[in-house]
Amino acid sequence: RKEVEQDPGPFNVPEGATVAFNCTYSNSASQSFFWYRQDCRKEPKLLMSVYSSGNEDGRFTAQLNRASQYISLLIRDSKLSDSATYLCVVNTGNQFYFGTGTSLTVIP
Amino acid sequence: DAGITQSPRHKVTETGTPVTLRCHQTENHRYMYWYRQDPGHGLRLIHYSYGVKDTDKGEVSDGYSVSRSKTEDFLLTLESATSSQTSVYFCAISTSYSNQPQHFGDGTRLSIL
Repeated sequence: RKEVEQDPGPFNVPEGATVAFNCTYSNSASQSFFWYRQDCRKEPKLLMSVYSSGNEDGRFTAQLNRASQYISLLIRDSKLSDSATYLCVVNTGNQFYFGTGTSLTVIP
Repeated sequence: DAGITQSPRHKVTETGTPVTLRCHQTENHRYMYWYRQDPGHGLRLIHYSYGVKDTDKGEVSDGYSVSRSKTEDFLLTLESATSSQTSVYFCAISTSYSNQPQHFGDGTRLSIL
């Protein structure tokens, strides 16, 4: 079983839409969680850390559900510039495990 | 952006040749990592370092070796490159092995013919 699993999409949404991604992880001992954004042929860039109480950064909201072992990312009022691949990352012990990414395309 | 420089950015070489990729950081972070990224697999850890001369294997370490003689430099070597090692390689750094995020270099596109 993979450490981290994501729906690969693609998600194609119109501008202004709200879109949500989920990511499940297999190890209940996982300690920290992150969302990264990766543009085509670029490096992953940190979007936000995910805290137990949930956290928000502008149009982006991240949630952690330890009981069900998933994290989520909600994007409100989607912009064309949000088009990218979103990676969830889970830290377990001393290693980081990456999902394969969810592709988002925001359509004018 | 985090001060991470990978070199070379692109390389094409032949099967059986040795290849060394360099990651250089100016952040003085303790932890450094090498990943490869392939379609359908996401990023997979090759090796990581938790200090000068302190390294350990990751998920896909076969065929790769690393060295870290200075805090700022982490080298990845393919002793005898194979076509299966054609990939995009990313270096990452962090201040912690657990609760702090990683920051990535621009990547090296390596093609083994």
